[in-house]
Amino acid sequence: QKEVEQDPGPLSVPEGAIVSLNCTYSNSAFQYFMWYRQYSRKGPELLMYTYSSGNKEDGRFTAQVDKSSKYISLFIRDSQPSDSATYLCAMGDPTGTASKLTFGTGTRLQVTL
Amino acid sequence: DTGVSQNPRHKITKRGQNVTFRCDPISEHNRLYWYRQTLGQGPEFLTYFQNEAQLEKSRLLSDRFSAERPKGSFSTLEIQRTEQGDSAMYLCASSLPREAFFGQGTRLTVV
Repeated sequence: QKEVEQDPGPLSVPEGAIVSLNCTYSNSAFQYFMWYRQYSRKGPELLMYTYSSGNKEDGRFTAQVDKSSKYISLFIRDSQPSDSATYLCAMGDPTGTASKLTFGTGTRLQVTL
Repeated sequence: DTGVSQNPRHKITKRGQNVTFRCDPISEHNRLYWYRQTLGQGPEFLTYFQNEAQLEKSRLLSDRFSAERPKGSFSTLEIQRTEQGDSAMYLCASSLPREAFFGQGTRLTVV
């Protein structure tokens, strides 16, 4: 079993829809959580960073963390064709030497006109 | 541009050749990471530097791989005697200490 599970999609939605992307994890040591957006053949771009349970909002993006359920979500409101990309969840253990990130496989999102 | 810079962006090499990639992190970041990403997968951790010290290496990093960060500035990742299984995107990230910012990656193709 992978430490981080993420549905690979693809997920296709019409422009303007609300998108929900999710990850589950098994390692209780993970204490901080990130969402990255990755366009084809590009590096991951940091969208959201959070370290506590609850919601964090930034523009059209809302990150939600439920540590008790080991479940995190990213919501995208008013989705645009430019949001079409792969979305990666990542999480880190602050007690480790490296504070390295463990990633999900990524969910491919397609926003259609 | 003050982001993480990686060179080259693409590298095609013949099996058995050595390759070296370079990463220039964001200048004030003392933490530097190398990750590898294959098609349809998320990035996987390879190694970590804090300043010039290499403090952690993944078991994915075989003895054909070596990484350096002289003087705690830029970093290089060398792969010796490349194999077709080394074909992947090699990503560098820097952070201060938690939020990690990635470069555009070096895409390696071993033929």
